[in-house]
Amino acid sequence: ILNVEQSPQSLHVQEGDSTNFTCSFPSSNFYALHWYRWETAKSPEALFVMTLNGDEKKKGRISATLNTKEGYSYLYIKGSQPEDSATYLCAFDPSDYKLSFGAGTTVTVRA
Amino acid sequence: SAVISQKPSRDICQRGTSLTIQCQVDSQVTMMFWYRQQPGQSLTLIATANQGSEATYESGFVIDKFPISRPNLTFSTLTVSNMSPEDSSIYLCSVSGTPYNEQFFGPGTRLTVL
Repeated sequence: ILNVEQSPQSLHVQEGDSTNFTCSFPSSNFYALHWYRWETAKSPEALFVMTLNGDEKKKGRISATLNTKEGYSYLYIKGSQPEDSATYLCAFDPSDYKLSFGAGTTVTVRA
Repeated sequence: SAVISQKPSRDICQRGTSLTIQCQVDSQVTMMFWYRQQPGQSLTLIATANQGSEATYESGFVIDKFPISRPNLTFSTLTVSNMSPEDSSIYLCSVSGTPYNEQFFGPGTRLTVL
């Protein structure tokens, strides 16, 4: 089992504010780093798959950066909206099809 | 991408009983994965199910407790046997996309064991 840690465990954000949170993962045997959004009573949904050091991905108001040398990724939400309320999971992929997930950061956006 | 359905979506079961969860994919896939998320914990891989061969279990998971069937390339079942309250979890099946193993998940089965 590979150690993937996410922080903080949860956060509350006022609507319109921006926020970010962290995923740390092993810096060796890196193949890809995944981000998923998991809304209550729905399937986890893939946001990004990041493969290169220095990668930056963006989807609407959500973006992510990747540092494979030091083993961390940041997810940013700009101008948070209530529909951004979800648990955000990251997963480390060492290329053997077995993803190791973090415990997630649960974001609650208050109107 | 793939569309995945799971049955049941939720269940409440008594200690000592077994529950079989079904997973259906809308396309043929080689590997299907079964995950579990216990309350407050990470999503953890239970096993990889390949059509035509025995499932491959991760450390801490055994076939007697979590038997898996994979009769064809679009369907799999996971049975949670002789359940205890510690088995209360969300169980998810998934398939991989290419080229970077992006996971497509089913909606999950929310199991409560009393």
